[in-house]
Amino acid sequence: AQTVTQSQPEMSVQEAETVTLSCTYDTSENNYYLFWYKQPPSRQMILVIRQEAYKQQNATENRFSVNFQKAAKSFSLKISDSQLGDTAMYFCAFIAYSGGGADGLTFGKGTHLIIQP
Amino acid sequence: ETGVTQSPTHLIKTRGQQVTLRCSSQSGHNTVSWYQQALGQGPQFIFQYYREEENGRGNFPPRFSGLQFPNYSSELNVNALELDDSALYLCASSLALAGASDTQYFGPGTRLTVL
Repeated sequence: AQTVTQSQPEMSVQEAETVTLSCTYDTSENNYYLFWYKQPPSRQMILVIRQEAYKQQNATENRFSVNFQKAAKSFSLKISDSQLGDTAMYFCAFIAYSGGGADGLTFGKGTHLIIQP
Repeated sequence: ETGVTQSPTHLIKTRGQQVTLRCSSQSGHNTVSWYQQALGQGPQFIFQYYREEENGRGNFPPRFSGLQFPNYSSELNVNALELDDSALYLCASSLALAGASDTQYFGPGTRLTVL
């Protein structure tokens, strides 16, 4: 069974600062996807960034980037130039590539990120 | 917005009742997954439907059941409601090709309260 651990229940930074959210996972699979999802107070889960395990290059989406360390089973999210709209719950999630993802996404418990003005 | 819609937004039921939640997938997506998110927790996988058949299930009892229709919309049915079923129910649609799963896009959720 896969597990995802987010060790920071809450983080708070000033606007324009850089913040890094941590995530570790455990799996015996070799092919899988990792995701960061954002859930603002309005509650709709929004995809932030995705990483395929077979890709060595870290994914980047504008101000969002990841540090993917496959051997360490670590997948952290870096948010640069943080904005007030980044305030949300952030969930790290895992899904195995094999089996068509029929086991569904496995989520961590989330990190509540607060951007202070 | 993801293009995934859910109805109703909120629902209040009493213990022992049955409930049906609905989800409309993003255009072009053939797979739908349902998740239960308890307050302050990450979502937990209930089951997944692909081409109108259940093809994966999490650790949920049989009183949680579902349907997927030819237009890829979906229903989640919960029988004999219990207080612990109170949660946000999320559906997510994706496009599965040749058995490989792709990114899941979530709807806004249905908040179910069981009294």
